[in-house]
Amino acid sequence: QKEVEQNSGPLSVPEGAIASLNCTYSDRGSQSFFWYRQYSGKSPELIMSIYSNGDKEDGRFTAQLNKASQYVSLLIRDSQPSDSATYLCAVNLMEYGNKLVFGAGTILRVKS
Amino acid sequence: NAGVTQTPKFQVLKTGQSMTLQCAQDMNHNSMYWYRQDPGMGLRLIYYSASEGTTDKGEVPNGYNVSRLNKREFSLRLESAAPSQTSVYFCASSEGPDYEQYFGPGTRLTVT
Repeated sequence: QKEVEQNSGPLSVPEGAIASLNCTYSDRGSQSFFWYRQYSGKSPELIMSIYSNGDKEDGRFTAQLNKASQYVSLLIRDSQPSDSATYLCAVNLMEYGNKLVFGAGTILRVKS
Repeated sequence: NAGVTQTPKFQVLKTGQSMTLQCAQDMNHNSMYWYRQDPGMGLRLIYYSASEGTTDKGEVPNGYNVSRLNKREFSLRLESAAPSQTSVYFCASSEGPDYEQYFGPGTRLTVT
């Protein structure tokens, strides 16, 4: 099992729909969770951080964390073609010196 | 405030040549990282520096060396380039190991 796992996709959603991206992780002691967006040919860009169980909203983005089930998700409401990118989940893992470990990413395609 | 800068943006090397990738950050971060990203492989950590004066191997350190020149600068050296080192290289920095990382624009390296 990979330490930080994401479905590679592609996840295709129509414009205006809700895109749901999921990430599972292996370490029950993890405390820091981040979502990054990476456009093709560009570097990863931080879009959300979450540290406590529950939901955190920022504009059209909502991060959801469930530490008991060891998953973190990202919801994108009113998806736009400009949201088409690869979304990376990052989680701190004690096994790796408490450093962030990145998932391989989920490709999102928003069709107009 | 430039964030994380990397030079060069593109480089083509012949097998056996050497080169140094430069990275600098102006956010007063303690930790710095070098990643490579290959299609379908996600981000793989090559080396990191938890603080000035320290460096440690990551997941794929073979064929690379690093120098943390000061708090701002972290360089990656390829002593004898191989075609397997063709990749996109990203430098990143953070306040600490479990904090969010900020990425530079990347260096696209081709080894022929």
